[in-house]
Order: sequence, then structure tokens, then C-alpha cells
Amino acid sequence: GQQVMQIPQYQHVQEGEDFTTYCNSSTTLSNIQWYKQRPGGHPVFLIQLVKSGEVKKQKRLTFQFGEAKKNSSLHITATQTTDVGTYFCLAGGTSYGKLTFGQGTILTVHP
Amino acid sequence: DAGITQSPRHKVTETGTPVTLRCHQTENHRYMYWYRQDPGHGLRLIHYSYGVKDTDKGEVSDGYSVSRSKTEDFLLTLESATSSQTSVYFCAISESMTSGRLNEQFFGPGTRLTVL
Repeated sequence: GQQVMQIPQYQHVQEGEDFTTYCNSSTTLSNIQWYKQRPGGHPVFLIQLVKSGEVKKQKRLTFQFGEAKKNSSLHITATQTTDVGTYFCLAGGTSYGKLTFGQGTILTVHP
Repeated sequence: DAGITQSPRHKVTETGTPVTLRCHQTENHRYMYWYRQDPGHGLRLIHYSYGVKDTDKGEVSDGYSVSRSKTEDFLLTLESATSSQTSVYFCAISESMTSGRLNEQFFGPGTRLTVL
């Protein structure tokens, strides 16, 4: 079955440093979504990537989808304390039963 | 935030007792999901529904059943709760697929369940 590995599991940064989390799939994906979950909160949708090699930006966040559509990354430039939380990828397909979340990367930002 | 509520928000129960969690939406979205979230495992899909009375199993469905008698309500039942089912449970909704791809999911606030 589909497996999605997300790394790193934890990341501690100083405010102002950059941060990147990666998701790697064992199979080719039709799309990938990214979510953020604040401590004590629920996951909130950030973005969806569909096309091979796609790059999307949201202010300080840059999302990439690999050429082979098997990996994706989320990069945050100049982190702020408001970026604290857990970032998840959701590997999509054409079957809802095959939805697979990455394990998540917990980001801590030290002021 | 999308109109999704979960009840109860917190529950403590004993091993062997039945438990039902409720998810209610006001968005009229077709798809509804139940996930559990545990440290080190992220979010794992338990069951999902693609319409009234249409449900299917996810990755970790053993020990759980679901029902959807109305578009707006999706119930998750633990017939006989076990300590391994202690977790945070999230309900999510999404619109129908677009061009064969899954749409974004909107999550409820979660239910923290403790089974003693």
C-alpha cells in the first residue's frame, strides 16, 4: 500500500532561521496537500499541489511538488513564533480509502 | 472555519463500555471522515463516508463502526472501548472530488477520548 514518510519528525529553530519539511511517497501521487496544526488545535489546510514540478508560494511559505510526483517539500523563510506547530502532508489519490497523512514535523521556534 | 462541530469534546470512559462520537456539519459537504491522532503516528483514517448510508473503511477501522443517516451527521462508535483507543479523534469534511482529485479537508475541533 501507499506509504508516506515525512522528515524530520522535530525541528527546533531560532526565530529568523529557515525551515524545511519533506514528504516522500513510495508511489506516484495524483496530488499532495499540506496542513498546519497549532498546538491544541485542529489541522488547517494550507495548499494543494497537482502538477509535476509545481511550485507555489504563500508569503514566506514555498511548496514544491517533485518532478516524479513522489515527493514534496514545504519551506518557510525567516521563521516567526507564529509558525510554531505541526506540519503535515496528505498524499492524495483517486481513492478516499487510500488517504495517507505523513507523520508530521513538529516545528518549535525560539525567540 | 467551516461549520463542523464534534461532541463530546472530552470523554473519559471505562474499558468495555460503548462510546459514540458525533460529527455535525452545516456545509452540506458530501464527504466526511473520522481520524485518530496519536503521538508518533500522525493522523490515521478510521472510516469515511461518501454519502448518506455510504461508508467505507480506512487504515485503522478495527474496533470502530460508523453510520451516516443524514448528510450533516457522521457517527463513530466504539462498541467496546479499549485502552488502545485512547486518542484524539478528528472529524473532517470535504466537497466532492474535482477532476478525479481529492479536495481540501476541513477539520472539526476534535474529541479527546480517554479509556481507563
